[in-house]
Amino acid sequence: NAGVTQTPKFQVLKTGQSMTLQCAQDMNHEYMSWYRQDPGMGLRLIHYSVGAGITDQGEVPNGYNVSRSTTEDFPLRLLSAAPSQTSVYFCASRVRRQETQYFGPGTRLLVL
Amino acid sequence: GIQVEQSPPDLILQEGANSTLRCNFSDSVNNLQWFHQNPWGQLINLFYIPSGTKQNGRLSATTVATERYSLLYISSSQTTDSGVYFCALEVGGSQGNLIFGKGTKLSVKP
Repeated sequence: NAGVTQTPKFQVLKTGQSMTLQCAQDMNHEYMSWYRQDPGMGLRLIHYSVGAGITDQGEVPNGYNVSRSTTEDFPLRLLSAAPSQTSVYFCASRVRRQETQYFGPGTRLLVL
Repeated sequence: GIQVEQSPPDLILQEGANSTLRCNFSDSVNNLQWFHQNPWGQLINLFYIPSGTKQNGRLSATTVATERYSLLYISSSQTTDSGVYFCALEVGGSQGNLIFGKGTKLSVKP
């Protein structure tokens, strides 16, 4: 198993541009989520999904969209990038609630 | 919402020393995990431990759910133990989201 994969590893955007961060897992996990990590803030939940077709907002959802058309993929879309979205983004998955969560390697995003 | 406090925020050790990291939380939890974020940014599962005690090599963890705390023990520390240690909680009755503490930054000196 490849586990949780994320692309790209690093991205530079200009303010106002849009982009999609890709996340995929091959473990048949129902539960997937996106976090952002900022210095001194720990990890904060952006959006999550409990299965294909089901998504919901986390702690910091503004400026981000998600969809879950398949069990494997959970892309995160930035609609109009802002400097405040400069961060490291982690995707995670687990089989279900109350189970071990696994993280992808992260995407480092810089918005100028 | 639930409060998660990790202590100490920073810890510097000499190689070979032992340490205890603490995670206090303010509500009952269904899930508690410890993660290690290495200096390259990778987040690695250490323990899934909503209650009880587990050991994995030089690391062990104990969660006392009734008293709302968890401890991570690192014995005979090595330079490769450096990084940030996070505890993350899933609150009972929630949608299953993991709430992260702000972490303990550990530096192990040779």
